[in-house]
Amino acid sequence: DAGVIQSPRHEVTEMGQEVTLRCKPISGHNSLFWYRQTMMRGLELLIYFNNNVPIDDSGMPEDRFSAKMPNASFSTLKIQPSEPRDSAVYFCASTLGGGGTDTQYFGPGTRLTVL
Amino acid sequence: GNSVTQMEGPVTLSEEAFLTINCTYTATGYPSLFWYVQYPGEGLQLLLKATKADDKGSNKGFEATYRKETTSFHLEKGSVQVSDSAVYFCALGAGSARQLTFGSGTQLTVLP
Repeated sequence: DAGVIQSPRHEVTEMGQEVTLRCKPISGHNSLFWYRQTMMRGLELLIYFNNNVPIDDSGMPEDRFSAKMPNASFSTLKIQPSEPRDSAVYFCASTLGGGGTDTQYFGPGTRLTVL
Repeated sequence: GNSVTQMEGPVTLSEEAFLTINCTYTATGYPSLFWYVQYPGEGLQLLLKATKADDKGSNKGFEATYRKETTSFHLEKGSVQVSDSAVYFCALGAGSARQLTFGSGTQLTVLP
């Protein structure tokens, strides 16, 4: 059974460029989460969706970040324009059900470097 | 609000040593508690969980007991292996909130 799939695994870009990260959740899961991990700030929740609807985006750092989930099997996180401080590992996770007891399944992450 | 405090790292142990990583939490209601593990270059994966007080979660030789009276969920393993080297995250999930609250992570290195 395929786990959460993220692409690309690594992205190097220059400041000011647009970056799009992609995620395919586990089939049948109805909640999807985007996290950012850095040494300084640890693991931060950026946004999560339930049944393709954004529920809480209070963790999105600023207007340069946007996320969409057009259907149950695909989500994107876009940064436009990118800045060096956006360099981090971005994880997508999905879960079945909607409660706090449910296990989240993480993808392998996208390592973003903004020069 | 909800919060998780875990033992500062890094932790370095010799193979076959006993491991404890402390985790305490603050939450309203009756949260579920989790330990996730992150191996180098990978995403987080569930190690074990407990959903109510006095439950013990266990997996791969690791154990943690949900202690409501001390609001703790300490991770233990009797004999660590080099392959256990990773970052360990304590987390809680509370009620209808779908998101988890994670601790800061503890880096464990096991030397042969």
